Amino acid sequence: DAGVTQSPTHLIKTRGQQVTLRCSPKSGHDTVSWYQQALGQGPQFIFQYYEEEERQRGNFPDRFSGHQFPNYSSELNVNALLLGDSALYLCASSYVGTPTEKLFFGSGTQLSVL
Amino acid sequence: DAKTTQPNSMESNEEEPVHLPCNHSTISGTDYIHWYRQLPSQGPEYVIHGLTSNVNNRMASLAIAEDRKSSTLILHRATLRDAAVYYCILRGGSSGNTGKLIFGQGTTLQVKP
Repeated sequence: DAGVTQSPTHLIKTRGQQVTLRCSPKSGHDTVSWYQQALGQGPQFIFQYYEEEERQRGNFPDRFSGHQFPNYSSELNVNALLLGDSALYLCASSYVGTPTEKLFFGSGTQLSVL
Repeated sequence: DAKTTQPNSMESNEEEPVHLPCNHSTISGTDYIHWYRQLPSQGPEYVIHGLTSNVNNRMASLAIAEDRKSSTLILHRATLRDAAVYYCILRGGSSGNTGKLIFGQGTTLQVKP
């Protein structure tokens, strides 16, 4: 079992550009959540996808958007990049969203905006 | 969203027990207490969770206060590999949709050989 895989592992972009990050969930999982982790901080919830729809969203602007595909994989898109978007972006997968369900996280994509 | 409070950092010696405290005085009756840890250069990983009773698994034990306003994660014999940031998280109930985890600053655990 490959677990949660994210690509790319590192990315460098310029202010104003757009970026797409990808996530493949753990086998058997149908729910994908995205988190942003700034240096020295805990991860912050961006949004969650289930059945190809955004089910819940954190306090992030519309520049952050996502998509879930029929095979449950997911993409995170960020438009009009700002310097403050530099962070580690984590993807987590689970099977449905119950209070007892474990989330499995990938190792993340480190995004640097110059 | 219900909040948790943890010490910023703790130190332990290798092969000694470690008790990591967490306060959650505004916990609701339906909130589960989850612990995740994040090793350097990795994403968080699940450690343990509980509702009211103490819980044990191969990684750790979770002791929950009778009033549920605090809990303690117990590592029975710390190893160097246990050096990580430990997050105490409330999930479900007043935390809204159960799919969302609210991470605080966590406790950075240092393990000395």
